[in-house]
Amino acid sequence: NAGVMQNPRHLVRRRGQEARLRCSPMKGHSHVYWYRQLPEEGLKFMVYLQKENIIDESGMPKERFSAEFPKEGPSILRIQQVVRGDSAAYFCASSYGTANGYTFGSGTRLTVV
Amino acid sequence: TQLLEQSPQFLSIQEGENLTVYCNSSSVFSSLQWYRQEPGEGPVLLVTVVTGGEVKKLKRLTFQFGDARKDSSLHITAAQPGDTGLYLCAGAGGTGANNLFFGTGTRLTVIP
Repeated sequence: NAGVMQNPRHLVRRRGQEARLRCSPMKGHSHVYWYRQLPEEGLKFMVYLQKENIIDESGMPKERFSAEFPKEGPSILRIQQVVRGDSAAYFCASSYGTANGYTFGSGTRLTVV
Repeated sequence: TQLLEQSPQFLSIQEGENLTVYCNSSSVFSSLQWYRQEPGEGPVLLVTVVTGGEVKKLKRLTFQFGDARKDSSLHITAAQPGDTGLYLCAGAGGTGANNLFFGTGTRLTVIP
């Protein structure tokens, strides 16, 4: 069991480009969560998905950000027209359910130049 | 907006000392989890506490959930350099939330 796999580990984008972050949950986990972390800060919730459904996107900016978790394949967090303020570490986690402990991936560090 | 405040924010101690980290909120949670995060990696779950007043021990780490399920503490006995990291508490099942809400974090450095 490889755990939660995120790729890429590091991503550099120029302002205005699109960033695509991928997350494959642990085998058997149907709940996926995306969090964002700025240096020296805790994790901020962005979005919670189950297969083919967005359950809670209250932490995600209304513009430029979108997320999906298709029936087949990894969950994708997409950021369009990136700006410098989008630079952060983005973590994906998966679980059996919302009351269970989360297993986190190693994160994708996005740098916008 | 739910707020989980951790204190202290930074803690630097000598190897062998004891320490306690606190996690406080005005919200009631159905469960509370503690994670440790090392640089460049994602958080790793240490423990989940569910019942008010519950105490769990993990080797030199002791976790307690407050009676009212609004606060928690993590006590480390005889700290070792390997304990160095960012400790995060996270509440589940708070008002209107169906995800984990993370605290502000405590960065611990244990000096050999």
